[in-house]
Amino acid sequence: GENVEQHPSTLSVQEGDSAVIKCTYSDSASNYFPWYKQELGKGPQLIIDIRSNVGEKKDQRIAVTLNKTAKHFSLHITETQPEDSAVYFCAVQGGATNKLIFGSGTLLAVQP
Amino acid sequence: GAGVSQTPSNKVTEKGKYVELRCDPISGHTALYWYRQSLGQGPEFLIYFQGTGAADDSGLPNDRFFAVRPEGSVSTLKIQRTERGDSAVYLCASSLGGRWDTQYFGPGTRLTVL
Repeated sequence: GENVEQHPSTLSVQEGDSAVIKCTYSDSASNYFPWYKQELGKGPQLIIDIRSNVGEKKDQRIAVTLNKTAKHFSLHITETQPEDSAVYFCAVQGGATNKLIFGSGTLLAVQP
Repeated sequence: GAGVSQTPSNKVTEKGKYVELRCDPISGHTALYWYRQSLGQGPEFLIYFQGTGAADDSGLPNDRFFAVRPEGSVSTLKIQRTERGDSAVYLCASSLGGRWDTQYFGPGTRLTVL
């Protein structure tokens, strides 16, 4: 089955710096790649997603890039702010089902 | 509009007991998903429904776990003979049902089995 690996597990940056989180997956049939932000005690919230027919997508300070050949995708957050501090999860949706397979998460801490 | 709601927010039970967890999806969403999240881990898929039927139940860990969605809206996750290893946050999500539609998550139910 699909396997998703996420790195790093923790990331600390200074306010205003950029943060990059990377995920790799194993199933070449996977075609949908969302990123979720989870704050303490809350459910995951979608922040950006990308489909397999697109290589890059940007929404204000957040961008995602996808390399289907290498089977990896990355989340980029620019001009980080303290309110960006949370756990971020990548996820992958395969070809035959709507279920999401999640990475293990990255705890992002933005130091003011 | 209202998001996905889950009740109860917390549930403490004893080993061997039966529990039911409820999920109210966003109105009009035909797909409903259950995930389980252990401490420090990403959500793990359990089951999802398209309408009233289970479209994929490949994530249910064993036959102690069962879920229903009799009218295509509210869903109940049922766990029989609970074990300490069942302790986790149980998350529910809903979507419009298409292949790449966003899954919107509820706040979860924290289950603790003593």
